[in-house]
Amino acid sequence: DAKTTQPNSMESNEEEPVHLPCNHSTISGTDYIHWYRQLPSQGPEYVIHGLTSNVNNRMASLAIAEDRKSSTLILHRATLRDAAVYYCILRVRDDKIIFGKGTRLHILP
Amino acid sequence: EPEVTQTPSHQVTQMGQEVILRCVPISNHLYFYWYRQILGQKVEFLVSFYNNEISEKSEIFDDQFSVERPDGSNFTLKIRSTKLEDSAMYFCASSVVGDSYNEQFFGPGTRLTVL
Repeated sequence: DAKTTQPNSMESNEEEPVHLPCNHSTISGTDYIHWYRQLPSQGPEYVIHGLTSNVNNRMASLAIAEDRKSSTLILHRATLRDAAVYYCILRVRDDKIIFGKGTRLHILP
Repeated sequence: EPEVTQTPSHQVTQMGQEVILRCVPISNHLYFYWYRQILGQKVEFLVSFYNNEISEKSEIFDDQFSVERPDGSNFTLKIRSTKLEDSAMYFCASSVVGDSYNEQFFGPGTRLTVL
């Protein structure tokens, strides 16, 4: 399975944008890029996903590099509630999700 | 907004005892999953379930584990003889279809403590 590489942790100030990077240099053409997050003491929560084009939803934006070897999750205006572990995941043909260690995002008030 | 629910929120059991963890997936979803997360570690896939049978299972899901959809709403995970190392958060998830571009919806989890 193709792997992803994320920083262990990041910090950001409240009400500022946050850019969470993810490298996936061995991605194949059919792999979808998914982002989930896990708030403290909660189950994982879907954030966004994409294949080739950039994507926006009410929670975040996903910017995908032209060669698809990296992507960036963008939180436009971070709040304290966005403090969580963010997982960048490549979804292959089957349905299970393989979680990595993710990036722990700290939001400073 | 529909959500996946799990009961109990916390289960304490003695080693060797059987436990059943319960989940109510979102009503129109067809694919169901169990994951677990040992404290401080990654979320790990256990099993996927569709059309009343297991689609895929991981190495963790050995003969001590079983899953069942006993009625139209519940989805259960049974551990026949619990071990200390089964202590973890267990998350149920469901999705409309089981493919790589559909999101999975996770429940809040059941914390299992084996003494």
